[in-house]
Amino acid sequence: QQPVQSPQAVILREGEDAVINCSSSKALYSVHWYRQKHGEAPVFLMILLKGGEQKGHDKISASFNEKKQQSSLYLTASQLSYSGTYFCGTDSGNTPLVFGKGTRLSVIA
Amino acid sequence: DAGVIQSPRHEVTEMGQEVTLRCKPISGHNSLFWYRQTMMRGLELLIYFNNNVPIDDSGMPEDRFSAKMPNASFSTLKIQPSEPRDSAVYFCASSLWEGNTEAFFGQGTRLTVV
Repeated sequence: QQPVQSPQAVILREGEDAVINCSSSKALYSVHWYRQKHGEAPVFLMILLKGGEQKGHDKISASFNEKKQQSSLYLTASQLSYSGTYFCGTDSGNTPLVFGKGTRLSVIA
Repeated sequence: DAGVIQSPRHEVTEMGQEVTLRCKPISGHNSLFWYRQTMMRGLELLIYFNNNVPIDDSGMPEDRFSAKMPNASFSTLKIQPSEPRDSAVYFCASSLWEGNTEAFFGQGTRLTVV
């Protein structure tokens, strides 16, 4: 079953922060985050595993609440290069990823 | 490694014609996935293979769609006959296995059926 992402779209000015949420109706083993730029393939950002700690690199981080079956992606001090569509992919245990419909992020100067 | 390679990048075909999309996964990856992306439905999983064996094809929309993986380095997705509603971007992805590992996507094939 497809996870639900919110918001569907967000517009930020450079330097602003954003949070993208992903929730599932199924128990999750891991959550993956990908970013896709227009006309390109989705690119892996990070995996959060059940029982693992919050992950992050640079100014993009994420958390995973197993009990609530939710994950959030945090983008701080956004840059123009952060623009794109962000997808969460969920895995219920040795299953292929099921992706949400994506959140379109636009960062403007 | 050059990553996941898909061909063709773009395909325009007439309704009723057969279309074959091709994918070469990353060497050493055991799992291969075919996804379809549309504005309305996002990224939908069509089928996936483990060690060249189809595991779950429940996402394949109709019998018009078929996929094969004759060996570890090649897979095809065929649509016969094609219809305008099949127009989408088709992505192939591969990973070490189907679970909690990074999936690497090809550049996709943009299919337009007129």
